Amino acid sequence: QSVLTQPPSVSGAPGQRVTISCSGSSSNIGAGYDVHWYQQLPGTAPKLLIYGNNNRPSGVPDRFSGSKSGTSASLAITGLQAEDEADYYCQSYASGLSARVVFGGGTRLTVL
Amino acid sequence: EEQLVESGGGLVQPGRSLRLSCAASEFTFDDYAIHWVRQAPGKGLEWVATISRKSDSIGYADSVRGRFTISRDNAKSSLYLQMNSLRGEDTALYYCAKDRADDGYYGLDVWGQGTTVIVSS
Repeated sequence: QSVLTQPPSVSGAPGQRVTISCSGSSSNIGAGYDVHWYQQLPGTAPKLLIYGNNNRPSGVPDRFSGSKSGTSASLAITGLQAEDEADYYCQSYASGLSARVVFGGGTRLTVL
Repeated sequence: EEQLVESGGGLVQPGRSLRLSCAASEFTFDDYAIHWVRQAPGKGLEWVATISRKSDSIGYADSVRGRFTISRDNAKSSLYLQMNSLRGEDTALYYCAKDRADDGYYGLDVWGQGTTVIVSS
C-alpha cells in the first residue's frame, strides 16, 4: 500500500492527451512538499521527468507537464507517442520519523 | 555525464548480511544528498534510505530501520548500504540515486543501473 495513490493504468491513442493523478494527504503533498515525477521505460532505471511540481529537466519534451493542488498532483502528457509507453511514478515527502521520501504505486501508460 | 554505478548485490541466505556500494563520477559527490531506492520484481519503487551531503541527516524506511545502515565516503565519492538480518522481502533491484540538492528534498535526477539482491535459502 503506497502512501501516494496513483491509478494502476491509463491508456490513450497516439496524439491524444492523458493525465495521471497522484493523491496524497495533509502529511505529505498537502504539507507543502514538492512533487516529482519519474518515467521508467521497460528494463531501465527511472528517469526524472518533472521536478518541483511543474519543472522539466533539460531534454524532457514540453509535451510533459505537472501540476499540484492541495493534497494532489497530476502529470499530463500531450501529443501521446508510442515511446511514451512506460511506468510513471509520483514522489513527494512526508513529515515525521516513519517516512521521509514517499512514492506512488506507479501507473502503467499504454499507447493504443 | 554524471554517473552512478552500484555493486555488491547477489544471492544471500535469510538472516545474513550484504554490503552494497555505489560509485559516483562526473559530478561533485559531496555537494548532494544520495538515496537508496529498491524495486521488487514486478513491483513499484520503494524508498529505502537517504543521506545528506555531510551525513548529518539520515532517514530510513520503516521496513529497513534498525537493519540497514546508509553511509558515504565523500573522499572516495562512494555511497554504501550495509544490510543486516536480510529477509525474503528485501529481494529487489537496489538503485542509488542522486538528489538535486544537498538535503534530499529536490528530486532524484541521476540513477544508477541497479544491483540485484536475492534473499533465499
